[in-house]
Amino acid sequence: QPVLTQSSSASASLGSSVKLTCTLSSGHSSYIIAWHQQQPGKAPRYLMKLEGSGSYNKGSGVPDRFSGSSSGADRYLTISNLQSEDEADYYCETWDSNTNVVFGGGTKLTVL
Amino acid sequence: EVQLVESGGGLVQPGRSLRLSCTASGFTFGDYAMSWVRQAPGKGLEWVGFIRSKAYGGTTEYAASVKGRFTISRDDSKSIAYLQMNSLKTEDTAVYYCTRVRRGGYSSGWTYYYYYYMDVWGKGTTVTVSS
Repeated sequence: QPVLTQSSSASASLGSSVKLTCTLSSGHSSYIIAWHQQQPGKAPRYLMKLEGSGSYNKGSGVPDRFSGSSSGADRYLTISNLQSEDEADYYCETWDSNTNVVFGGGTKLTVL
Repeated sequence: EVQLVESGGGLVQPGRSLRLSCTASGFTFGDYAMSWVRQAPGKGLEWVGFIRSKAYGGTTEYAASVKGRFTISRDDSKSIAYLQMNSLKTEDTAVYYCTRVRRGGYSSGWTYYYYYYMDVWGKGTTVTVSS
């Protein structure tokens, strides 16, 4: 069963860029993941599917400021030109071979 | 517009039952697997279970924490997914979200791999288990 590891928190200044990381456990570095955003008091929102190659597919309406990339077992979510509404919790998700779902613990992003 | 709307949440005593509904619109419901995810107060996301589309048998999978107590079903004629929750515990207190599941595949060498991910979320319904 894969494990997804995320930093518990991150911060960056308004208008800058931030790169959030989701790391797959050993033996699962090829897994595809999805990134989700949860703004305070709201339901999660799908941002993108991200492959090990770095190829990603964003959900409808997700701004161009959001992009994805990969390196080995690491899956990245980069947010450019940070806006106040980007302050949120970000979760990564993957599925194991038995179709059980795994979520990362989430990263709380603060926009300074 | 693709939309999922959960309903049926509320306050229930430990040991009792509750059934949640997820009404879908804006897409062909029967073509997709559906999943339930919950979030306890102040905590992260926890997967509850999912149901495959009828084309893939309509079978279900559950998290260990709810297996044997919760049952997911679907009515494709009404575009509704259900979560039947029995023998509820105080630790089942959470916001319950319904999600749409996408399925894809790719080849690597001689092996074909399937992958899944959630691409649509409902707004959630709150379940409180307390005496």
